[in-house]
Amino acid sequence: GQNIDQPTEMTATEGAIVQINCTYQTSGFNGLFWYQQHAGEAPTFLSYNVLDGLEEKGRFSSFLSRSKGYSYLLLKELQMKDSASYLCAVLDSNYQLIWGAGTKLIIKP
Amino acid sequence: EAQVTQNPRYLITVTGKKLTVTCSQNMNHEYMSWYRQDPGLGLRQIYYSMNVEVTDKGDVPEGYKVSRKEKRNFPLILESPSPNQTSLYFCASSLSTSSSGANVLTFGAGSRLTVL
Repeated sequence: GQNIDQPTEMTATEGAIVQINCTYQTSGFNGLFWYQQHAGEAPTFLSYNVLDGLEEKGRFSSFLSRSKGYSYLLLKELQMKDSASYLCAVLDSNYQLIWGAGTKLIIKP
Repeated sequence: EAQVTQNPRYLITVTGKKLTVTCSQNMNHEYMSWYRQDPGLGLRQIYYSMNVEVTDKGDVPEGYKVSRKEKRNFPLILESPSPNQTSLYFCASSLSTSSSGANVLTFGAGSRLTVL
C-alpha cells in the first residue's frame, strides 16, 4: 500500500529552527509537495521537490532524497504566525496525490 | 483574483436531506478535486475530475456524487447525508496533471458540514 508518515505534533520556540520530516512509500514518484494549513483554513502551497537536494525559499527550505523516500521541511527564524499544520503529499505514478496526516507545529514565545 | 469558490461555507442539516456544495474556479484549470478532512486523518480524496465530463472515484466516494458539465464548476452532491459525513470539505483545482509542475493545487476556503 501507499503510505506517508510525518510526526503528529511538534513544538518549537519563536526565533528557532525546526525540521519537519516526511517519509513515504508510494507506487512511483512524480514529486513531493509541502502545504501549510492554518487552523480552519485552506491548505496553501509551500514547496515542490522532484529532484534530490535542497530547495530554499526565504525562511523555508525543503529537502528530498528519492533513494531514501524521505523529505524534510526546514523552517528558520520561527515566527508565531508559523503555527500551523504542515502537510506532506507525494504525486504517485498515476499523478494522484497521496497525503500525509499532517504535522501540527506549535510555536511558543 | 484567481480563486476557488465553494458554497456554503457552513451548513447544518439533518439526516437524509439532499444537499449540494458548489465549487467554482476562475483559472481555467483542467483538474478539480473534492477532499474531506477529519481530525487525525488528513485530507482524503472523495472524487476528482481530469476534465469536462470526466470524473473518477477517490479514496472515500461512498455517499457522494459529482458532475463536471462545465470546466469551471464541480459540485459535490450528498443525496442522503448521514452523520458520518459531518466533516470539513475542500474543493481544489490545478492546471493539469500531465506535468508534475502543473499539479500545484489551489484550494477553496472550505465548507464545514454538520449532519444531525
